[in-house]
Amino acid sequence: EAGVAQSPRYKIIEKRQSVAFWCNPISGHATLYWYQQILGQGPKLLIQFQNNGVVDDSQLPKDRFSAERLKGVDSTLKIQPAKLEDSAVYLCASSLTDGRVYNEQFFGPGTRLTVL
Amino acid sequence: QKEVEQNSGPLSVPEGAIASLNCTYSDRGSQSFFWYRQYSGKSPELIMSIYSNGDKEDGRFTAQLNKASQYVSLLIRDSQPSDSATYLCAVNARGGADGLTFGKGTHLIIQP
Repeated sequence: EAGVAQSPRYKIIEKRQSVAFWCNPISGHATLYWYQQILGQGPKLLIQFQNNGVVDDSQLPKDRFSAERLKGVDSTLKIQPAKLEDSAVYLCASSLTDGRVYNEQFFGPGTRLTVL
Repeated sequence: QKEVEQNSGPLSVPEGAIASLNCTYSDRGSQSFFWYRQYSGKSPELIMSIYSNGDKEDGRFTAQLNKASQYVSLLIRDSQPSDSATYLCAVNARGGADGLTFGKGTHLIIQP
């Protein structure tokens, strides 16, 4: 079974520029998450989708970050304009929502963003 | 504010010994608990999940949960150099498919 796919793997931009990240979850996984991991910290949830609807975006800085999951499969996370403090690894994860109470999340390889 | 606390380490353990990693969480209503392993430059990899009080064993790994004390631990028996990594404790507050709250991770070093 293929894992979570993300691209690009690395991105370097200047501050105030825009950037977009792409994620393809594990086939059949209805729930998709975007996390931000700053060096030395644990991942922090930015947004959670179930199918193509947003479940939780309470920690998403909405003045500059946006995300969408059209058709309930692939997702795109965008930052516009980027700030220096956005330098981090952006991780996409997915889980199988099959009625079980407890769903395990599986992570993609991440996109390492450097803002200069 | 939901919090998950871990000692950042580094925790240094001789090869073949038992490594013990600990985690506390603040939300008493938390339902499910996970341990992820993260090698440098890589993404987190799920190694253990636990949902009820007590111990859960999988190979060389044992997860322990004590909801009354709001405490989760991970034991790694017969530690190998390949176990050297950062171990992240993660908590799911309400169960279901909610996002995880992670600790900062414990950096484990297995000395050959």
